[in-house]
Amino acid sequence: QAVLSQPSSLSASPGASASLTCTLRSDINVGTYKIHWYQQKPGSPPQFLLRYKSDSDNQQGSGVPSRFSGSKDASANAGILLISGLQSEDEGDYYCLIWHNNAWVFGGGTKLTVL
Amino acid sequence: QVHLQESGPGLVRPSETLSLTCAVSGASFNSYYWAWIRQPAGKGPDWIGHVHSSGSPNYNPSLKSRLSMSVDTSKNQFSLELTSVTAADTAVYYCVAVGLLTGNWYWGQGALITVSS
Repeated sequence: QAVLSQPSSLSASPGASASLTCTLRSDINVGTYKIHWYQQKPGSPPQFLLRYKSDSDNQQGSGVPSRFSGSKDASANAGILLISGLQSEDEGDYYCLIWHNNAWVFGGGTKLTVL
Repeated sequence: QVHLQESGPGLVRPSETLSLTCAVSGASFNSYYWAWIRQPAGKGPDWIGHVHSSGSPNYNPSLKSRLSMSVDTSKNQFSLELTSVTAADTAVYYCVAVGLLTGNWYWGQGALITVSS
């Protein structure tokens, strides 16, 4: 089982909200991890959006709009990236990232389509 | 502003050694650790490893036996060598600076490396 699992795709309408999940393997507790979120457009490196551990321990990327926010669902053992007020420019691939067992681990990514 | 630029051969023959260099500007070497990330076409990124100018490198266990990373502060660059490459090593390779205090990541634009005969 992968350390981080993400749905491969998600579609949502302009103006709506999208909730992207990053589920941690069942033997590791989401509460102890700082979850990083990245957005990637074709031909470009991933761009940092935010990192979230708790409401008191989180950081927004420079220039990243406040409609991108992080949270956790402890019952699902998952990190969540919420994008509100979706815009066409939000289309792209989204990856989560954690530091686990002395290694950086990426999720497989979610392709977000805004239509 | 931290700026990173990868340079490499573009094409590597199977079983040969892949060598990549990352030129660094706008950063103090002691304030960061220096990482390599790769991304095969259509897939997510994978952490290859990282190194600090004054510490031991930290490698992805799946690549450790073939991997070597180093930092050359006199040339403002850091490097990666991956031996015995196969087609599975074909990917875009990114160099990354990670701030020791801030935890911020700075990425290069990436270099496409193709392993093919």
